[in-house]
Amino acid sequence: GQSLEQPSEVTAVEGAIVQINCTYQTSGFYGLSWYQQHDGGAPTFLSYNALDGLEETGRFSSFLSRSDSYGYLLLQELQMKDSASYFCAVRGGGSYIPTFGRGTSLIVHP
Amino acid sequence: EAQVTQNPRYLITVTGKKLTVTCSQNMNHEYMSWYRQDPGLGLRQIYYSMNVEVTDKGDVPEGYKVSRKEKRNFPLILESPSPNQTSLYFCASSEGGLEKLFFGSGTQLSVL
Repeated sequence: GQSLEQPSEVTAVEGAIVQINCTYQTSGFYGLSWYQQHDGGAPTFLSYNALDGLEETGRFSSFLSRSDSYGYLLLQELQMKDSASYFCAVRGGGSYIPTFGRGTSLIVHP
Repeated sequence: EAQVTQNPRYLITVTGKKLTVTCSQNMNHEYMSWYRQDPGLGLRQIYYSMNVEVTDKGDVPEGYKVSRKEKRNFPLILESPSPNQTSLYFCASSEGGLEKLFFGSGTQLSVL
């Protein structure tokens, strides 16, 4: 089976940097994805890491360490609109069923 | 515009009354899937389809049916809904690698 752990809530102020961690357990591993979901909205794709290292997309970056079964999402220059839930997801070897973490609620204060 | 379209957005029904939630994508994706989202539990996959006429169970398939007669459509069928199927449902599609899922806008289902 597959399981993921991520913090339930993170708070930060506008303009700050925040890191949302995700640890996973899976038999076989294809990659780690991140999604953003605003209240009542659809999850939207943010980033994907298959190899170790940092992937940068604008204000958002995602990191993966396969040896540590660990990844994180880094959000820079936080804005109020970044207040949302963030989910990590993995797909294990031989599986067509992505497993999602329970989500981290990010609250950005002015 | 590339999108996944789900209907209806909101649905209130009673126990045992069959219902269908439709899902359509215009990106020619082979992979389509259904998820339910419950507070504190994240997204859990119900069923998925790798291509036309190819479907398989996800993590929580009990009480649901799907069909994939055309590449673009993947309806979710609840033959006899029960209150424990009250949830927020999402359809998603992806290219073969599954790295990036495109989600529909969701269907909030209440079964009374």
